Amino acid sequence: DVKVTQSSRYLVKRTGEKVFLECVQDMDHENMFWYRQDPGLGLRLIYFSYDVKMKEKGDIPEGYSVSREKKERFSLILESASTNQTSMYLCASSYPGGLPEAFFGQGTRLTVV
Amino acid sequence: AQTVTQSQPEMSVQEAETVTLSCTYDTSESDYYLFWYKQPPSRQMILVIRQEAYKQQNATENRFSVNFQKAAKSFSLKISDSQLGDAAMYFCACTSGTYKYIFGTGTRLKVLA
Repeated sequence: DVKVTQSSRYLVKRTGEKVFLECVQDMDHENMFWYRQDPGLGLRLIYFSYDVKMKEKGDIPEGYSVSREKKERFSLILESASTNQTSMYLCASSYPGGLPEAFFGQGTRLTVV
Repeated sequence: AQTVTQSQPEMSVQEAETVTLSCTYDTSESDYYLFWYKQPPSRQMILVIRQEAYKQQNATENRFSVNFQKAAKSFSLKISDSQLGDAAMYFCACTSGTYKYIFGTGTRLKVLA
């Protein structure tokens, strides 16, 4: 089974802190994604990566950056956390060939105080 | 640009009854895939069912089936013989198979004993 693991289920950070959310997948997937989930807004794409060191902005990239130095790991970085970044963050991965099913991590609930 | 719309924020169903969750989408791609994902309280997103747009036959997975109306751009999910374990958020999603998955805002399904 594909496993996508996010480093934390819950995080509490202070305003202005630099925050790292880590995601690791074990199926050699080329594609990796970071989504933000908010009630009534569904899942919104922050960034995605289709290869090592490759990244593209999603729909809401402002205030975020990403890093993909190894194929299995995709990090989301909040450069200076703000209270409006309090949310659920979901990481996903997929293989571009065949049926493009996305596999998800268990989510990180981030609270910025 | 792709869009996915779920117009039912919340639905309820009696245990053992049938419920249908609605989803409409819009895409300019000729080749695309549609999905229903389930997110239980544990937050782990799980694939329920998928449909390739080029297939006319509606997908079925045990108690879950879809009604795919390509011309109307409609993709509804029918859950038969509803069980308490079906209670969750359900998200409809669309991808053209390249990189981006677009999700709807979700429908919360309550199953009444």
